[in-house]
Amino acid sequence: DIQMTQSPSTLSASIGDRVTITCRASQSISRWLAWYQQKPGTAPKLLIYRASILENGVPSRFIGSGSGTEFTLTISSLQPDDFATYYCQQYSSYLMYSFGQGTRLELK
Amino acid sequence: QVQLVQSGAEVKKPGASVKVSCRASGYSFIDYYIYWLRQAPGQGPEWMAWINPDSGDTHHAQKFQGRVSVTRDSSINTAEMEMSGLRSDDTAVYYCARGLVSAQFSGNADYFPYWGQGTPVIVSS
Repeated sequence: DIQMTQSPSTLSASIGDRVTITCRASQSISRWLAWYQQKPGTAPKLLIYRASILENGVPSRFIGSGSGTEFTLTISSLQPDDFATYYCQQYSSYLMYSFGQGTRLELK
Repeated sequence: QVQLVQSGAEVKKPGASVKVSCRASGYSFIDYYIYWLRQAPGQGPEWMAWINPDSGDTHHAQKFQGRVSVTRDSSINTAEMEMSGLRSDDTAVYYCARGLVSAQFSGNADYFPYWGQGTPVIVSS
C-alpha cells in the first residue's frame, strides 16, 4: 500500500501569509495527486488534481506542485475562508486509494 | 448538477450490521463509478470500496474484504454499502463519492469531485 504523509500536522498563520503544506508518498505516484479542503461537519472539497490543476471555481491563490514522491500545496495569500483542514490523496492505482492524515490550518 | 444524497445517521451495537445508501441525481447513474470512504474522528478519509454501477463489478480495500458489501440498484439510482461485524473503531462518518472515470472503462484511477453529505455511524454498547 502507498502511504501518504503530510507535514506539518498543524500550521498557524495570519491573513495574508503565504503557507505551504507538504505531502510525501511512500513510492512514486507520478503526478496522480489531489488536494482537498475540509471544514468541520462537511465533506472534503476538491481543490487540485493531477498535482497542479486547479478544480473549476477554486481561487488561483491555491497552487499545487510536485511529482514522484514529494508534493506541495501553497496558498499564496491566506484569506479568512482558507482556515480549514487539508488532505492529499494519491490515485496512482484504481485498486487502492489513500489519503494523508491532514494538515489543520489555524489562525495565529 | 451532480448530487449524492445519503441516508441518515445510525447508532449500532458492536457485532451488528449497518447499511448506508447513496442516491445519485443530476447525471446518468450508470456512467460513473461510485466510491465508498469513511473518516474516523480526527483522521483523514479512508477509501473502502468502489462499484461500477453499470456492470456491478466491485473492488474493496483489503482491510474491508469479507466485511463490506457494496451493491447498486440502477432502477432507483442508488448505491448501498453494508458493513457487518461492527466494532467501536468503525465509528466514523461514511461517505459515497463520484469521480470522473467512465464506467465504460476499467483500470483508470480517479479522484473525487463529488461527495455525499456523509452518514455518521456510531458503534457503542
